[in-house]
Amino acid sequence: DGGITQSPKYLFRKEGQNVTLSCEQNLNHDAMYWYRQDPGQGLRLIYYSQIVNDFQKGDIAEGYSVSREKKESFPLTVTSAQKNPTAFYLCASSITGVVYGYTFGSGTRLTVV
Amino acid sequence: KQEVTQIPAALSVPEGENLVLNCSFTDSAIYNLQWFRQDPGKGLTSLLLIQSSQREQTSGRLNASLDKSSGRSTLYIAASQPGDSATYLCALSGGGADGLTFGKGTHLIIQP
Repeated sequence: DGGITQSPKYLFRKEGQNVTLSCEQNLNHDAMYWYRQDPGQGLRLIYYSQIVNDFQKGDIAEGYSVSREKKESFPLTVTSAQKNPTAFYLCASSITGVVYGYTFGSGTRLTVV
Repeated sequence: KQEVTQIPAALSVPEGENLVLNCSFTDSAIYNLQWFRQDPGKGLTSLLLIQSSQREQTSGRLNASLDKSSGRSTLYIAASQPGDSATYLCALSGGGADGLTFGKGTHLIIQP
């Protein structure tokens, strides 16, 4: 079945450490997205990419970095510059130019220890 | 900037009731509107997608409507069941594949 796979499901980060969240899709979607979800705040867009080797900042990009070397993959790195990284991270994808809607992965819960 | 508001923030009703969840938005220049369901600790499951030219969409016991002129969408759930308990999220796309703007959701509990 086609879908989006996020790994790991749970991730623990020590202070000052960089960590990378994986997102892979086999839907042949052009665009991919990273959202952050905090209790009571809703989902906020971190980064998005509409084509390979190109990406744009979302509303809360500070302290995060991404790459898009393959159409299927859009990893998110949470750097030590992100002062409050504890959150639930969701990856999504969509087809550009078509009213098709967005598909989401199952999420990664990141906790600072 | 688009702002999305969902009312109520939480709702608890007995099993079997019909209910309506509300979503309002400030900018009517939307591309489409999508309703999602989220179970605790899980990702988002798409329920219904309404294109900007459409007025409503139906799937089983769910019906979503869209009124762009008034900046409103409703999600109607008929004959609610305990399995419907979840958080329901409304999200809008402005086109251009630059992401969705989300409301904060309605946390729904259906009492057996």
